[in-house]
Amino acid sequence: AQKVTQAQTEISVVEKEDVTLDCVYETRDTTYYLFWYKQPPSGELVFLIRRNSFDEQNEISGRYSWNFQKSTSSFNFTITASQVVDSAVYFCALSETSNNAGNMLTFGGGTRLMVKP
Amino acid sequence: EPEVTQTPSHQVTQMGQEVILRCVPISNHLYFYWYRQILGQKVEFLVSFYNNEISEKSEIFDDQFSVERPDGSNFTLKIRSTKLEDSAMYFCASSPLTSGTQYFGPGTRLLVL
Repeated sequence: AQKVTQAQTEISVVEKEDVTLDCVYETRDTTYYLFWYKQPPSGELVFLIRRNSFDEQNEISGRYSWNFQKSTSSFNFTITASQVVDSAVYFCALSETSNNAGNMLTFGGGTRLMVKP
Repeated sequence: EPEVTQTPSHQVTQMGQEVILRCVPISNHLYFYWYRQILGQKVEFLVSFYNNEISEKSEIFDDQFSVERPDGSNFTLKIRSTKLEDSAMYFCASSPLTSGTQYFGPGTRLLVL
């Protein structure tokens, strides 16, 4: 069965600090997809990134970067020079492909990031 | 930019009442989903829907729940007889492809009294 673990329930940083949010996953599939979503205080779920299991290249988007390591089953998310607007709950999620009929997302428990001015 | 919409944004109901939560997925998407998030907890999968039928459902999605796509645009979640523990935020999502990115609506906050 698939599982996603975000061991950090809450992180507090001061603005401009870098912060890394950890995500560890379990799956028996060889083909799967990993996601990060942001949930700001307003409550919606905002898509950040999707990565397939065959693409281990790290990705950078502005101040955001993601490090995918299959060897450790991790998909960590780093925010560089954090800002107050980054304060949110961040969820890592996994989608397996063994069931072809529209694959459910399994979410981790989320990490609440608080960025203080 | 197209987005998933959900109505109502908030709903308060009495235990035992039926509720219908409505969603309008992104127009060219083929896969539709419902998730729920109990306050302060993780997001949990309820059901996925493709080609006018349920393709996958979780243990949470029991006989009290049903989904329907009554027309070409709406996707609904019905809870027949609400319980206190159904209080949660319900998110609709849609995706153009299986294993594609799922785009979420803003959610409906359901409170069962």
